Amino acid sequence: SSELTQDPAVSVALGQTVRITCQGDSLRSYYASWYQQKPGQAPVLVIYGKNNRPSGIPDRFSGSSSGNTASLTITGAQAEDEADYYCNSRDSSGNHLRVFGGGTKLTVL
Amino acid sequence: QVTLRESGPALVKPTQTLTLTCTFSGFSLSTSGMCVSWIRQPPGKALEWLALIDWDDDKYYSTSLKTRLTISKDTSKNQVVLTMTNMDPVDTATYYCARITGSQDAFDIWGQGTMVTVSS
Repeated sequence: SSELTQDPAVSVALGQTVRITCQGDSLRSYYASWYQQKPGQAPVLVIYGKNNRPSGIPDRFSGSSSGNTASLTITGAQAEDEADYYCNSRDSSGNHLRVFGGGTKLTVL
Repeated sequence: QVTLRESGPALVKPTQTLTLTCTFSGFSLSTSGMCVSWIRQPPGKALEWLALIDWDDDKYYSTSLKTRLTISKDTSKNQVVLTMTNMDPVDTATYYCARITGSQDAFDIWGQGTMVTVSS
């Protein structure tokens, strides 16, 4: 099986840019998807594929990938972006096994 | 509009078997590329992927939990069922079901989750 590693916590000043990273061997072969979770709520998909946003997700959210690292960038972070963020991808073995990162708590100062 | 809703017992005893049902609407699990997955989250902890069933009835399980999990679907009822045997207090968590489409390959729609507590 595979693992995805995320920094436990990241902070950003209001209106600044922040990058949240996710590392794992499976990311050399598969794209990561990113999920935002606010307290007491179900996760919400914010980025999938190479750099795609579902309808309704602000364009300040973007994704990128290089080698074994996927990144979620928030350009001009807003107070409402304070949340936990999780990455997910297929397992290195392929098919449909999936794995989540440990999550990153984003604080907007 | 696509929706998913989890249902099942809020409390189970240790060693019992948990059965959860995901009832969905707005899509068909017989459509090529469509999948439904189960994910859980212990209180204050990270998401953990559990299992997935696809439109072709192929089934995939978490390596660490596969001996305890069974996933199945009833396409006519728009339901996916997850059973987990030999429940333990460490299995206390919110259990979510979520959809994956072939085009996005991501969990695009989630249910609201159902909290399951394992305690005697």
